[in-house]
Amino acid sequence: RKEVEQDPGPFNVPEGATVAFNCTYSNSASQSFFWYRQDCRKEPKLLMSVYSSGNEDGRFTAQLNRASQYISLLIRDSKLSDSATYLCVVGNMLTFGGGTRLMVKP
Amino acid sequence: EAGVVQSPRYKIIEKKQPVAFWCNPISGHNTLYWYRQNLGQGPELLIRYENEEAVDDSQLPKDRFSAERLKGVDSTLKIQPAELGDSAVYLCASSPGDSNQPQHFGDGTRLSIL
Repeated sequence: RKEVEQDPGPFNVPEGATVAFNCTYSNSASQSFFWYRQDCRKEPKLLMSVYSSGNEDGRFTAQLNRASQYISLLIRDSKLSDSATYLCVVGNMLTFGGGTRLMVKP
Repeated sequence: EAGVVQSPRYKIIEKKQPVAFWCNPISGHNTLYWYRQNLGQGPELLIRYENEEAVDDSQLPKDRFSAERLKGVDSTLKIQPAELGDSAVYLCASSPGDSNQPQHFGDGTRLSIL
């Protein structure tokens, strides 16, 4: 089993849809978790940290499930501009998932 | 606040040649990371520095890769000699503290080996 795993997708969704990605991790002692967004041929950019109690930033909601060892990212009301690859990272493991590609269609 | 600066943006060399990448982290960021990213994959950590000390270099192929951060600020990553499989994007990132804090990435250096 890989240390951090993501479904590579692509997830093809229409504008306005709600979409969710999961990311599983193997180290139960992991303490910090982040979601990054990466556009084609660009560097990863921090989207949001993931807190134990869950957190929301506009249309984006991140949650942590320690019992099942996964984090999730929910995007509501998808925009065309949300099309990108979403990478999860377990901070203290310094391990990135392979990314989930999202394509939002008109 | 200036971001992480990397150079060059692109590098094309023939196999067996040496190549070097440079990174200047965000001012005040003690921790510096070098990653390699292959197409369609997530970044893979090569080495992590806390100030001038390399605290995690277990993934660095030491037969041909080397890195330094002599004054605890900017850093260089070198490959000598380069192999075809080294073609990738080399990303530098920095964070203000330890690895539990989010990292900020530079634009990366896209390396092509002919």
